[in-house]
Amino acid sequence: SQQGEEDPQALSIQEGENATMNCSYKTSINNLQWYRQNSGRGLVHLILIRSNEREKHSGRLRVTLDTSKKSSSLLITASRAADTASYFCATDEFPGSNYKLTFGKGTLLTVNP
Amino acid sequence: EAQVTQNPRYLITVTGKKLTVTCSQNMNHEYMSWYRQDPGLGLRQIYYSMNVEVTDKGDVPEGYKVSRKEKRNFPLILESPSPNQTSLYFCASSSVGGINSPLHFGNGTRLTVT
Repeated sequence: SQQGEEDPQALSIQEGENATMNCSYKTSINNLQWYRQNSGRGLVHLILIRSNEREKHSGRLRVTLDTSKKSSSLLITASRAADTASYFCATDEFPGSNYKLTFGKGTLLTVNP
Repeated sequence: EAQVTQNPRYLITVTGKKLTVTCSQNMNHEYMSWYRQDPGLGLRQIYYSMNVEVTDKGDVPEGYKVSRKEKRNFPLILESPSPNQTSLYFCASSSVGGINSPLHFGNGTRLTVT
């Protein structure tokens, strides 16, 4: 079953602009994570946000979590061509096994120089 | 260097010929997991392991086997591969289970079954 779903499926912006991606999920969760994947490579962890947190920052990344709406957003500020990648959210299901991690289908971000 | 190593990177095989994709991590992680990635379907979990000798099914375990005899290794076994198992496979590990800590991914194994 698909727990997390990213939106939009694809996003194309110019260098220097901000990029916002959203993730919606169906059940309660313990935590939510965001990952980046460069074409065909392994995923790289970006941020973990816990269910009792509302916002988290890491460099140019800002993640918000709204558990009442069952949604999260990833904001990349001042984007660079090197940010071109697919971005995925991953969640568990609460209650349930937090060993069973479910990924969404991803948002493909293209940053044009 | 901390890493998850998968081998091989590319594999072309024929239907029914048993194969093993190896996965090894050097971070002393307890949790390891296998995913397959297909266009339009995202990443789907095949199997995961919470510790040595403890494994459990993910969302798409049919046609796959795993074992966890040592902490560092988590091989994925396809006893009788079929064309619908053509996919990009990823192994991942983390220090504690699942969602509670970041997953470290290998670089993937692209499997083609003809």
